[in-house]
Amino acid sequence: AQSVTQLDSQVPVFEEAPVELRCNYSSSVSVYLFWYVQYPNQGLQLLLKYLSGSTLVKGINGFEAEFNKSQTSFHLRKPSVHISDTAEYFCAVRPQGGSEKLVFGKGTKLTVNP
Amino acid sequence: GAGVSQTPSNKVTEKGKYVELRCDPISGHTALYWYRQSLGQGPEFLIYFQGTGAADDSGLPNDRFFAVRPEGSVSTLKIQRTERGDSAVYLCASTDSTDTQYFGPGTRLTVL
Repeated sequence: AQSVTQLDSQVPVFEEAPVELRCNYSSSVSVYLFWYVQYPNQGLQLLLKYLSGSTLVKGINGFEAEFNKSQTSFHLRKPSVHISDTAEYFCAVRPQGGSEKLVFGKGTKLTVNP
Repeated sequence: GAGVSQTPSNKVTEKGKYVELRCDPISGHTALYWYRQSLGQGPEFLIYFQGTGAADDSGLPNDRFFAVRPEGSVSTLKIQRTERGDSAVYLCASTDSTDTQYFGPGTRLTVL
């Protein structure tokens, strides 16, 4: 079985500041990793994913994440945030092979203040 | 192109009633997933279809929940004898060949 821990439930930052949203996972098998964003009253939108290859993954809206297998982490970063980045961010994993269901963390609410 | 659509967007019902939630996946996507998102939580897997058959229904909480996908496209999630604890946002997703799951806007179910 897999589990995902998002260490911060809320992250407030000022506009143009850098941000890191932390994600750790537990799994007995290799996994694929995903970050989704959910804007208020909207569905989940894929930000980026790691399937294989380079451990540094670049996504939409200037976000990137780095897969660290030894630390079982997949932290999300952005060097300079905007007010429009205010949203809920979810980290998710899916085992390689077997069921294709996603296992999500509880989410991190990012609030960007002027 | 059109994304995943879900109807209704909101559903209010009374305890004990029966409800149906509909999902229209992206055209051509063969895999379809249902998740449930309770307040303050991440989405939790309910059931996954590959074509017309349920490939994994391990997330359905009990036998009051049932889902079908008779023609391999539209899916309906059915909840019998609703309880207040069933109140949540029900999300549907479909998958393309890259295995990325594309989510719909969800149906917010409120059981009074």
